[in-house]
Amino acid sequence: EAQLVESGGGLVQPGGSLRLSCLASGFAFSDYAFHWVRQAPGKGLEWVSYISDDGRTIYYSDSVKGRFTSSRDDAKRSLSLQMDSLRAEDTARYYCSRRTSADALDIWGQGAMVTVTS
Amino acid sequence: DFQMTQSPSSLSASVGDRVTITCRASQSITYYLNWYQQKPGKAPKLLIYAASSVQPGVPSRFSGGGSGTDFTLTINNLQPEDFATYYCQQSYSSLYTFGQGTKLEVK
Repeated sequence: EAQLVESGGGLVQPGGSLRLSCLASGFAFSDYAFHWVRQAPGKGLEWVSYISDDGRTIYYSDSVKGRFTSSRDDAKRSLSLQMDSLRAEDTARYYCSRRTSADALDIWGQGAMVTVTS
Repeated sequence: DFQMTQSPSSLSASVGDRVTITCRASQSITYYLNWYQQKPGKAPKLLIYAASSVQPGVPSRFSGGGSGTDFTLTINNLQPEDFATYYCQQSYSSLYTFGQGTKLEVK
């Protein structure tokens, strides 16, 4: 069964850093591109970042550009989201998700909660 | 930038009803429109991709339509498990954007 599992969430002070990981299983990881999507408590879904199947193309939303860095390690079947200069408005559950060939997100992790507070 | 606007923001319906949710894009996205269902405390679930293709395993009472800027998600014969929040999402650009969501509640 195809599965994504996030880890690394937690509590951090404003200006701090956190690194999320997303471990994949049950499918050919290197064949797929991935997206990160977040959801603030009680709010809707917000797209955060895209990383291509070869890792050479990466996009960010304007709200995180310059502060977040996406990467992947095909040997470890994992994605990472390095989050620096965190702000209160970054508080959210962060999901990694798999992009299909039809450009939709068919597999989602359970999410990792990030809380930025002093 | 592609802005996605869903309507209504919330909707009350009863089991057995037929409901339609609309999604409008700020510019043409041809058929690059997906629909997701999210239940409280759960990750979103893909229902419809490419505007009208039903994801395998999704019940046939779910259908999608539209192209260009205007899209619909229709649920026929509402079932108790369908009460949830629904999101549209454009994938015309790799910088995805989601609609604000439509909460479907029990009347």
